Amino acid sequence: DSGVTQTPKHLITATGQRVTLRCSPRSGDLSVYWYQQSLDQGLQFLIQYYNGEERAKGNILERFSAQQFPDLHSELNLSSLELGDSALYFCASSATSGGANEQYFGPGTRLTVT
Amino acid sequence: AQSVTQLDSHVSVSEGTPVLLRCNYSSSYSPSLFWYVQHPNKGLQLLLKYTSAATLVKGINGFEAEFKKSETSFHLTKPSAHMSDAAEYFCVVSDEEGGYNKLIFGAGTRLAVHP
Repeated sequence: DSGVTQTPKHLITATGQRVTLRCSPRSGDLSVYWYQQSLDQGLQFLIQYYNGEERAKGNILERFSAQQFPDLHSELNLSSLELGDSALYFCASSATSGGANEQYFGPGTRLTVT
Repeated sequence: AQSVTQLDSHVSVSEGTPVLLRCNYSSSYSPSLFWYVQHPNKGLQLLLKYTSAATLVKGINGFEAEFKKSETSFHLTKPSAHMSDAAEYFCVVSDEEGGYNKLIFGAGTRLAVHP
């Protein structure tokens, strides 16, 4: 158990809908990262937050957004969902922002768009 | 830009035989490299990490990896495979440009272990 929690575990929704994925980092970790794992794209970095502020952006679509709250939990919002958004979404956390800090991954949220 | 290439998409070994999962990296500076493992329907677990200290890195569950700058390689090995090692393994480089810590994943190698 990494100490990173994600809810829900599974999510099934229809095209055009909006969903929110939630992540709680390990106790004491200030950085939260979001990754998407799909069959065609593999594992891709989406976005990073550090202590409430956005720090780095990867291949995140404009339909997706994220935020980190004062209690350090984070939410990833996916809107106008398309079939291609079906994937496993991972959250990871680390103690600080830069350098080669180890990132600890949550169990993931499996999103299915029908 | 940082990148990693995992040279085999599938590796199959017999229980008790050595494991070799190959990874080459590309980096404009001295990289930080990781191996992560993903068991079926589970999250990602860190096996080991290299950050310019010892070139031979020992990880959990008997795995180790050797950083070879001349070959730009970071291959993962284990002397004797166990059935529980069957999983997907990812070679990862940390993109620290700008002071950040984005992980760039390889495509993964699926390891099968046969009795």
